[in-house]
Amino acid sequence: DGGITQSPKYLFRKEGQNVTLSCEQNLNHDAMYWYRQDPGQGLRLIYYSQIVNDFQKGDIAEGYSVSREKKESFPLTVTSAQKNPTAFYLCASSIVGRGTGELFFGEGSRLTVL
Amino acid sequence: AQSVTQLDSQVPVFEEAPVELRCNYSSSVSVYLFWYVQYPNQGLQLLLKYLSGSTLVKGINGFEAEFNKSQTSFHLRKPSVHISDTAEYFCAVSDLMDDKIIFGKGTRLHILP
Repeated sequence: DGGITQSPKYLFRKEGQNVTLSCEQNLNHDAMYWYRQDPGQGLRLIYYSQIVNDFQKGDIAEGYSVSREKKESFPLTVTSAQKNPTAFYLCASSIVGRGTGELFFGEGSRLTVL
Repeated sequence: AQSVTQLDSQVPVFEEAPVELRCNYSSSVSVYLFWYVQYPNQGLQLLLKYLSGSTLVKGINGFEAEFNKSQTSFHLRKPSVHISDTAEYFCAVSDLMDDKIIFGKGTRLHILP
């Protein structure tokens, strides 16, 4: 079955450590996205990529980094510069097409900083 | 810049009663509009979308939404809710120029027995 796989589902990290969240898709979608979800704040866009080797900052990119070396993969690194990293992180993908495409989401990764 | 406002953070409703979840957007260009549903500890899935054509859009699980350009609204409705509709609902907007989709803060639907 096609879909988006995020791992790990739960992750604990000590302050000052970088952590990388994995996102893999086998839908052959060009565009991939990372959102952060906090209670009562909805989804906020961190980074998105419409093509391999290219990506753009979203609304809250500070303290995060991404890469897009393969079409199927869009890992997100939460760096120690991110002041409040505890959150639920969602990866999504879509067919590139002027915003007409449905977003397909993974099951999410919950990061807790101890 | 686009923005989405979901006026209610929580909506309680009795089982089998009708429900309306409100969504207003602002944008200087033509937009596409979406409603997504999120069940606890899961990702989001698409309920319905408006791209063009008929302003009344039907989605999965008996939901529908009406696009009103003059009021810049895209309210979600269901004539009779079920306990399984308990979830958080997100309105989202994107414009015709890029693939950035902006989400509202969500409305949590509580179904009362």
